[in-house]
Amino acid sequence: EAQVTQNPRYLITVTGKKLTVTCSQNMNHEYMSWYRQDPGLGLRQIYYSMNVEVTDKGDVPEGYKVSRKEKRNFPLILESPSPNQTSLYFCASSLYPRETQYFGPGTRLLVL
Amino acid sequence: DQQVKQNSPSLSVQEGRISILNCDYTNSMFDYFLWYKKYPAEGPTFLISISSIKDKNEDGRFTVFLNKSAKHLSLHIVPSQPGDSAVYFCAASAEWNYGGSQGNLIFGKGTKLSVKP
Repeated sequence: EAQVTQNPRYLITVTGKKLTVTCSQNMNHEYMSWYRQDPGLGLRQIYYSMNVEVTDKGDVPEGYKVSRKEKRNFPLILESPSPNQTSLYFCASSLYPRETQYFGPGTRLLVL
Repeated sequence: DQQVKQNSPSLSVQEGRISILNCDYTNSMFDYFLWYKKYPAEGPTFLISISSIKDKNEDGRFTVFLNKSAKHLSLHIVPSQPGDSAVYFCAASAEWNYGGSQGNLIFGKGTKLSVKP
């Protein structure tokens, strides 16, 4: 089954404790992206990747890092999480940026 | 500045009637538009898209209309069903070589549709 998976689905952590949210797709997609969804703000892009080893900042990259060492995986790294990073995070992938994007189920993060 | 605007945070419609969700954009370089539907506790799923060379695209009960001169698009759902209750996101993108968005999708804030039985 074609899908985008994210782990964990729910995470509660404390300020400053490094965490990684994994994202994996099995559709051989070139393009992958991370979004955060906040009430009243919709979906905002954090980082995206055009292909392996090619990543770039989206609209709200501060406080986040990503890597793309393999085509299927695109982890989101919070080196020192802060409470303003409490949000719902979505990973997405598509063959190319302007193709239909497939979203993962989301990761709800609470930073205390 | 918000490039894609969905000015109605919520919409309530009776089952069987038409639902009309609106979206406005400011970037004249946008030439590809999509609607996504999102249920609680799930990721957004693609619903329908339209290219700027068209002014209408239809898929079953869903039709998207594009008015380029007004920089406005709308999603019509006819007839509306309780299962259509979800948050609907409008998204837009520009061609690669116009820079800026690099072909990335720019999303609106979403409209929560409630279809009452």
